[in-house]
Amino acid sequence: EAGVAQSPRYKIIEKRQSVAFWCNPISGHATLYWYQQILGQGPKLLIQFQNNGVVDDSQLPKDRFSAERLKGVDSTLKIQPAKLEDSAVYLCASSLAVGGPKSYEQYFGPGTRLTVT
Amino acid sequence: AQKVTQAQTEISVVEKEDVTLDCVYETRDTTYYLFWYKQPPSGELVFLIRRNSFDEQNEISGRYSWNFQKSTSSFNFTITASQVVDSAVYFCALSEALNTGFQKLVFGTGTRLLVSP
Repeated sequence: EAGVAQSPRYKIIEKRQSVAFWCNPISGHATLYWYQQILGQGPKLLIQFQNNGVVDDSQLPKDRFSAERLKGVDSTLKIQPAKLEDSAVYLCASSLAVGGPKSYEQYFGPGTRLTVT
Repeated sequence: AQKVTQAQTEISVVEKEDVTLDCVYETRDTTYYLFWYKQPPSGELVFLIRRNSFDEQNEISGRYSWNFQKSTSSFNFTITASQVVDSAVYFCALSEALNTGFQKLVFGTGTRLLVSP
């Protein structure tokens, strides 16, 4: 079974530029998550989708971050304009739909390391 | 709000030693889930275990064991006979109920385990 795919793996941009990250979850996983992991910290949830609907985006800086999950499969996360403090690893994860015994078990992709200079 | 504390920032052991990683949590939910994830140098978080709040049985999986004690709000992780391949950052996580009926994960800051030969 293929895991969660993310691209690109690395990205370097200057502040005030824009950037987009792509995620393809495990086939059949209805729930998709985007996390931000700053060096030395645990992952912080930015946004959670159930199919193509947003379940939680309370920690998403909506003035500069946006995310979409068209057709309930792939997802993109965009930052525009980027700030220095956005330098982090952006992790995508997916899980089966809520209710089953494996719900809430999240499976993570390799992440995208973003450096803002 | 939910909170996960991993007080041990870094632990160094020699191969074949046993090591315990501590996790203490705070929650307002009556039903919740606890998780452990491993993050090797490659960066991808690997799911290790999920435990629900009404199941306090300890669990053993090979060299890994978990001790869940609701009375002390702790969910500790022990690696027996550690190996170099166990070197990674280990994260404890706690579910938080959302108003939407879904759950999100709150991660601790992680414990870096270094196993030397």
